[in-house]
Amino acid sequence: QSALTQPRSVSGSPGQSVTISCTGTSVGVDNYNRVSWYQQHPGKAPKLMIYDVSKRPSGVPDRFSGSTSGNTASLTISGLQAEDEADYYCCSYAGTHTWVFGGGTQLTVL
Amino acid sequence: EVQLVESGGGLVQPGGSLRLSCAASGFTFTTYPMNWVRQAPGKGLEWVSNIRTSSENMEYYADSVKGRFTISRDDAKNSLYLQLSGLRAEDTAIYYCATDYGYAFDIWGQGTMVTVSS
Repeated sequence: QSALTQPRSVSGSPGQSVTISCTGTSVGVDNYNRVSWYQQHPGKAPKLMIYDVSKRPSGVPDRFSGSTSGNTASLTISGLQAEDEADYYCCSYAGTHTWVFGGGTQLTVL
Repeated sequence: EVQLVESGGGLVQPGGSLRLSCAASGFTFTTYPMNWVRQAPGKGLEWVSNIRTSSENMEYYADSVKGRFTISRDDAKNSLYLQLSGLRAEDTAIYYCATDYGYAFDIWGQGTMVTVSS
């Protein structure tokens, strides 16, 4: 069991918005405000989509946004597109240069 | 082009050893802490190890690999390494190297597969 809990799957239709949650169990998501999100397509390496809770690296569309509320971090994807279909992982800094990942969420674009 | 290329994976028997390499190019390797992250077949991501810059000279490990894996770097060769020993079936995974972008993993390699089986 991961220290961060994510839903196994979420789905949405093109153009809709979806939100993926990430709740800390043994690790406090709000301890350091250092949550990141990764997108992974099948057979590919993960790609950084959000860092420091809500910041987007250069090149990531502004359809992707991040936030936290208490011990839960969230990734929201608005204006869903077919290419957004992938696995998404949250990750939280756990102190002393260690990190924990969530179990991952499979996003299906209907 | 910014790039990380892993190598060294393969099939190894339980209890065996393996050395993974990660060649960096297109950025100033010496200024970046580096990480190894792994992914078991069909499973999620797991952070494995972090190494600070040579000036800081510190290493950190997940509890699952502490005492069995050793991370190192050679700045002259722009390379990161992971020495795996005492391998177990549960170490079977794709091993990715990734740059440490503050508190996130920015640049990732394509991964190298390690299979532990008799």
